[in-house]
Amino acid sequence: DTGVSQDPRHKITKRGQNVTFRCDPISEHNRLYWYRQTLGQGPEFLTYFQNEAQLEKSRLLSDRFSAERPKGSFSTLEIQRTEQGDSAMYLCASRPFRRGPNYGYTFGSGTRLTVV
Amino acid sequence: GQQLNQSPQSMFIQEGEDVSMNCTSSSIFNTWLWYKQDPGEGPVLLIALYKAGELTSNGRLTAQFGITRKDSFLNISASIPSDVGIYFCAGQQNYGGSQGNLIFGKGTKLSVKP
Repeated sequence: DTGVSQDPRHKITKRGQNVTFRCDPISEHNRLYWYRQTLGQGPEFLTYFQNEAQLEKSRLLSDRFSAERPKGSFSTLEIQRTEQGDSAMYLCASRPFRRGPNYGYTFGSGTRLTVV
Repeated sequence: GQQLNQSPQSMFIQEGEDVSMNCTSSSIFNTWLWYKQDPGEGPVLLIALYKAGELTSNGRLTAQFGITRKDSFLNISASIPSDVGIYFCAGQQNYGGSQGNLIFGKGTKLSVKP
C-alpha cells in the first residue's frame, strides 16, 4: 500500500446526472477526509470520517452530497443531480490516529469532475 | 470558506535562486503544513510543523512555525527546475480530537523565468 487511491481520475457528466467517486486510504490510517478544490483555490474541507463514523461535515456539503465509509476502509462520495458549479477536483486524504513521523495528511491524486 | 493569506500569489524563479513565501492568519493554528501540488495531481506534503517557533528542514526546504501561531514561512534554497509548481500552506486548529480538518491558503505559483 503506497498511498491514497482515487477512482476515477476524471469524470465528465451531464448536468442532472448522479456521480460517485471512490477513495481507498492508506490501510493503517483510520481518519479519512474529502476536500474540494476549484481552479486557482486551495482545497476546501467537505467531510471527515474516523473509522466508519462521519464526524464532521462542512456547510459546503449540500444535501445533494453524501459520503460513506461503510467498513471503515474505502469511502465513496456521491453527488446527486449534478450542477455546473460542482465542477472541481475532489480530493481524498487520510492520516493515522496517533502523532508520529508520518502524521501529516496524505492526499490522493484526486478525481476531476466536469459537469457539462 | 475560511482561508489563509498566502503570499506572493506567484513568482518567477531562475535556477539557483532562493525562494521565500509565507502564510498569515487572524486565527491561531496548532499545526502548519506545507504542500506542493503539480498540475492534475493531489498535494504532496513537504513539511509539517507542530510547535510554535519550530524550524524544520527537508533537504533544500526550510519552514518555520511562527511564535504567535498565526503565521508560517517556507524557504527554498538554490531552486532547481523541478521546484516549479503550486505551493500551499495549510493550518490545522485541532488534532488528537474529533476535528482536524485543514484550512488552506490560495497557493503560491512558482514558475521559471523566461
